[in-house]
Amino acid sequence: QLQLQESGPGLVKPSETLSLTCTVSGGSTSSRSDYWGWIRQPPGKGLQWIANIYYNGNTYHNPSLKSRVSISVDTSKNQFSLKLSSVTAADTAVYYCARMVVILQPYFDSWGQGTLVTVSS
Amino acid sequence: DIQMTQSPSSMSASVRDRVTITCRASQTISIHLNWYQQKPGKGPKLLIYAASGLQSGVPSRFSGSGSGTDFTLTIDSVQPEDFATYFCQQSYSTPYTFGQGTKVEIK
Repeated sequence: QLQLQESGPGLVKPSETLSLTCTVSGGSTSSRSDYWGWIRQPPGKGLQWIANIYYNGNTYHNPSLKSRVSISVDTSKNQFSLKLSSVTAADTAVYYCARMVVILQPYFDSWGQGTLVTVSS
Repeated sequence: DIQMTQSPSSMSASVRDRVTITCRASQTISIHLNWYQQKPGKGPKLLIYAASGLQSGVPSRFSGSGSGTDFTLTIDSVQPEDFATYFCQQSYSTPYTFGQGTKVEIK
């Protein structure tokens, strides 16, 4: 069974870079049928898609965050990562990693449990 | 961006009630609509894909319908474990966007 686990600092200072890693087990980031994505949820609010990456490194970003977002994949470690630069309090959220499959149309079929990142000095 | 609007934002229901949640897209999205369930402290769980496809392992009391701009998630005979927040999500075009959520509480 596919499992995803987010890891990274829970506290980031304003203007610094948030860095998170998602470790995949029970599946492979080398899979040609899957995309790997990041979604976030500010406390008490809805979900916002951040970006996806394909095994070959092709990336897809939310334009509202694109200038600050970097997403990468390390197939040798079966991990993919997110970097969000110049963070502010508005970036405080639970960050989820997820797998996106495309059957008929795209959907996120497996999610991590999420990790809370707080932006504060 | 395609805006997704869910209604109601919250509702209360009794066990064994039928629950209906609607989701409206700001433009046509064909059947590119997915539904997720989220419980406190957990990541979302996929229930329905492509408007009406039941994800493996999801009870058959969950069903989805609609196409174009208007979609519905129905829970027939809601069970205690179904009290949660439900989100719709469009995958017609990036950026993928979600509805604001519908919280289903016990009456």
